[in-house]
This record gives sequence, C-alpha cells and structure tokens, in this order.
Amino acid sequence: QVQLQESGPGLLKPSETLSLTCSVSGGSVTSGGYYWSWIRQPPGKGLEWIAYISYNENTNYNPSLRSRLTISVDTSKTQFSLNLNSVTAADTAVYYCARSSSSWGSYHIWGQGTLVTVSS
Amino acid sequence: DIQMTQSPSTLSASVGDRVTITCRASQSIINWLAWYQQKPGKAPKLLVYKASALESGVPSRFSGSGSGTEFTLTISSLQPDDFATYYCQQYNDYSTFGQGTKVEIK
Repeated sequence: QVQLQESGPGLLKPSETLSLTCSVSGGSVTSGGYYWSWIRQPPGKGLEWIAYISYNENTNYNPSLRSRLTISVDTSKTQFSLNLNSVTAADTAVYYCARSSSSWGSYHIWGQGTLVTVSS
Repeated sequence: DIQMTQSPSTLSASVGDRVTITCRASQSIINWLAWYQQKPGKAPKLLVYKASALESGVPSRFSGSGSGTEFTLTISSLQPDDFATYYCQQYNDYSTFGQGTKVEIK
C-alpha cells in the first residue's frame, strides 16, 4: 500500500524559495506508470493543482505559477520535490502531494499535507 | 481554462436526508469528473471518479452522475460521518476544482 508524506519548512519569508519533498513509501516514483502531483489549499479556501511529474519524469505546471516552479524526482526515486521561488503571502497554504493514474486524472492517494506560512 | 462551479456553497441537512450537490463546468468535460470529501485538517478523500465510478471502499450511499457540463453527487441517506466539505474536480484539460460545498448539520 503506497503512502505519501510531505515535508517542508513550515515558515519562510517573502521572496524566499519554498522547497517541499514528498516521500513515497511502498513504491517508486519511476515505476507503475503513475503521475505525481502537488496541490495546495490556502487556509479556508479551495484546492489548486500546482504541477505534476510522471513516472518517466515528464513535467507539467499550472500556467499561473509556471515561471516560479520546478518539480523533480530525487535520485532515490522514492521522493519527488517542488521548488517555488519568490514566495509571497499568497503562497501560504497547506501543500499536498497526490498520485493519479494518468496525466490528467483523479487523485486516488494523498499525503496528509504540510502547512507553509509566508510571513515577514 | 475550465471553470468549475458548485452549488450550493453550504447545505444544511439532517441524518437520513437525501442530499444532492451540483457541479457545472464552463465547457464540456465529457465524463472526466471526480468528487472528493474533505474533513477539517485532513486531506481530500476520493469518492467518485469518471463521473459515476465509485472508489473502492466508499459506501454505496454515495453516487455520481452526469456528463458534458453538469454533474451531481448524491448521498442517498446522510450519515453522521458525512458532514464535511465536498469538492468536484475536472480532469479533461489540466485539473481544476470547484469551490466546495459544505454539508452541515441542520
């Protein structure tokens, strides 16, 4: 049974770079034909898809965030990461990683989420 | 991009009620639609995918229907564990979510 676990800095200042990691237990990012996404949720608000990386390391980004994003697979192949640069208070959110069976698909497995607060 | 609009935003209901939530897409998404349940402080949980396919382990009181631009999630008999916020998601073109429907106790 695959499980996902996010980790991140918790608190960072405006203009800094947010780095998040999703650890995959019970599987590998590069096997099984799956797609691995980041999704965020500002406090009290709805869900926003951010980016995905595929089993063969193809990537896709939300057009509204593309210029600030990088998603990658770690050399261990059991983690994938997201970098979001030049953060502002608007990037304050719970960040989730999730898995889908296709590039544009429903998310059958989610991590528990990690809260990131941007504040000076 | 495809916009998803849910109605109502809030729904007050009692245990045993039949509850219906609607999700409308700004253009046809065929049947590429999912429904999630989210409780406070928790990750969303997939209930329905491909408009009407029930995720494994989800109680049969949940059902989804629709195609094109209009979709519904129905809970046939509301249970205490069902008070939560529900989101629809289209995945026909990129991935976008509705704004959510909170089901609260009447």
